[in-house]
Amino acid sequence: AQTVTQSQPEMSVQEAETVTLSCTYDTSENNYYLFWYKQPPSRQMILVIRQEAYKQQNATENRFSVNFQKAAKSFSLKISDSQLGDTAMYFCAFMKQGSNYKLTFGKGTLLTVNP
Amino acid sequence: EPEVTQTPSHQVTQMGQEVILRCVPISNHLYFYWYRQILGQKVEFLVSFYNNEISEKSEIFDDQFSVERPDGSNFTLKIRSTKLEDSAMYFCASSDAGADEQFFGPGTRLTVL
Repeated sequence: AQTVTQSQPEMSVQEAETVTLSCTYDTSENNYYLFWYKQPPSRQMILVIRQEAYKQQNATENRFSVNFQKAAKSFSLKISDSQLGDTAMYFCAFMKQGSNYKLTFGKGTLLTVNP
Repeated sequence: EPEVTQTPSHQVTQMGQEVILRCVPISNHLYFYWYRQILGQKVEFLVSFYNNEISEKSEIFDDQFSVERPDGSNFTLKIRSTKLEDSAMYFCASSDAGADEQFFGPGTRLTVL
């Protein structure tokens, strides 16, 4: 079974600064996908970024980028130029290829962006 | 922008009662999911549904749970006889291809008294 670990229950950052959220996972699979989801206070989860394990290039979406280290089973999220609207719970998630597409989530990191 | 909707937003029920949680996935999506999040804990997978049948279910999804797509738009989760430990936020999600982004609904908070 796959597990996802987010070791930082809470983090804070000043507006306009950069913050990195950690995620590690455990799997024996070679083909999989990794995701970061954001859950703002309104509680609807939205996708931030997605990474295919077979791709060596790190995924980037505007101010959001990942550092994917397959050998180390690490998948951290970097948020640059943090904005107040980035305040949310961030979940790292794993999906095994061909797994009927279920997501396995970490416990989440509550990020607070301070003005 | 299309979105997943869920009703009700909050459901309070007595232990042993049946509840039906409703979801309207995004219209052209083919894969449907239910997850739950007990307060303070991680989001857990319950069930995936494709082509009018369950693709996979977790060990949480026992005989008390069932899912149905009664028409072309709704996707429901039924709990036949609720227990106190069923109290949680239940999220519906849908995707148009299996490994693509899953779009989540806002959730239904179920409180079992």
